[in-house]
Amino acid sequence: EAGVVQSPRYKIIEKKQPVAFWCNPISGHNTLYWYLQNLGQGPELLIRYENEEAVDDSQLPKDRFSAERLKGVDSTLKIQPAELGDSAVYLCASSRRQGNTGELFFGEGSRLTVL
Amino acid sequence: GEDVEQSLFLSVREGDSSVINCTYTDSSSTYLYWYKQEPGAGLQLLTYIFSNMDMKQDQRLTVLLNKKDKHLSLRIADTQTGDSAIYFCAEREDDKLIFGTGTRLQVFP
Repeated sequence: EAGVVQSPRYKIIEKKQPVAFWCNPISGHNTLYWYLQNLGQGPELLIRYENEEAVDDSQLPKDRFSAERLKGVDSTLKIQPAELGDSAVYLCASSRRQGNTGELFFGEGSRLTVL
Repeated sequence: GEDVEQSLFLSVREGDSSVINCTYTDSSSTYLYWYKQEPGAGLQLLTYIFSNMDMKQDQRLTVLLNKKDKHLSLRIADTQTGDSAIYFCAEREDDKLIFGTGTRLQVFP
């Protein structure tokens, strides 16, 4: 089975520019997560989707970050405008909702550099 | 929020055992996990343990859980150079995982 697919793998932009990241979860996984990983840190949750509904977005900076998961499959995370401090790796993960041990399956991440 | 703490670095000789430690704070966590991250890659699940277990062994990996002290450890037997990576422990809180800061394991010949 194919894993979680993210694109782009790398993105370099100037501050104040917009940027978008895309994620395709594992087929059949209802739950989708976006995590932020700063250099030398563990991943921190930004937003969690159950199907197309955002059920936990308490850590998402809503003034500049937005996300959507149309049709409950693929998801897009957007930053507008980007700031220097947004340089990090954005990880997407997915999991099954029911009858599982709760493990998350991660994509390879999208590394953002803001100049 | 809950904090998951790990030591930052561990250096071991090839063939020796590695022990990576973690402390967590949410006593209601049902599952605890160990993930591995190699350079430029996402996180890969290594193993997990259910909270009613004290120990779980999976080939070269042994997980020990001390619920009283909220302490989790990962032992890697016969550590190889390919084991060099960052190891994250994580606890399950509601339907999300809370990760530690990661332990960088360096294996030298």
